[in-house]
Amino acid sequence: DGGITQSPKYLFRKEGQNVTLSCEQNLNHDAMYWYRQDPGQGLRLIYYSQIVNDFQKGDIAEGYSVSREKKESFPLTVTSAQKNPTAFYLCASSTSPGEQFFGPGTRLTVL
Amino acid sequence: RKEVEQDPGPFNVPEGATVAFNCTYSNSASQSFFWYRQDCRKEPKLLMSVYSSGNEDGRFTAQLNRASQYISLLIRDSKLSDSATYLCGVTLTGNQFYFGTGTSLTVIP
Repeated sequence: DGGITQSPKYLFRKEGQNVTLSCEQNLNHDAMYWYRQDPGQGLRLIYYSQIVNDFQKGDIAEGYSVSREKKESFPLTVTSAQKNPTAFYLCASSTSPGEQFFGPGTRLTVL
Repeated sequence: RKEVEQDPGPFNVPEGATVAFNCTYSNSASQSFFWYRQDCRKEPKLLMSVYSSGNEDGRFTAQLNRASQYISLLIRDSKLSDSATYLCGVTLTGNQFYFGTGTSLTVIP
């Protein structure tokens, strides 16, 4: 079945640690996105990539980094520079300019 | 000014009621329009695309008004299972995609 997978589903991080969230898609979509969602809030764009080896900052990129070495994969690293990383992280992919399809999300909690 | 704006609600309606949500967008060059449904602690899922001529899927009707730059979602005969947050999505050129903050709906028995 085609779709988007994210792992892990839940992630706990100690302060000062970097963590990497995985996002994989087999929909053959060129574009991939990372969003952050805080309780009761909308989606805020962190980074997006329209093609392999290229990505752009979204509205809240500070403290995050990404890579796009393969079309299928778009991992997100939450660095220690991100001061308030506890949130629900959603990865999405799309054709251009079509609808976005989301993975199930990763809940990150800082201990 | 935000690219996309929605009334956050909450909307609390009785079963069987008709409820409508609007979403306004600021850029007249916006190309494609969508409604998503997000259940609590889950990812958003595409509910329906919005076409220029309007489109219907069962109890759900979506409409686009380019002159006034808004899209709407009408839910008829509301069910308890319709309780969720409804997000609108708008694309500009290329892969620029903007979401509204979502409208919360609770259908009450």
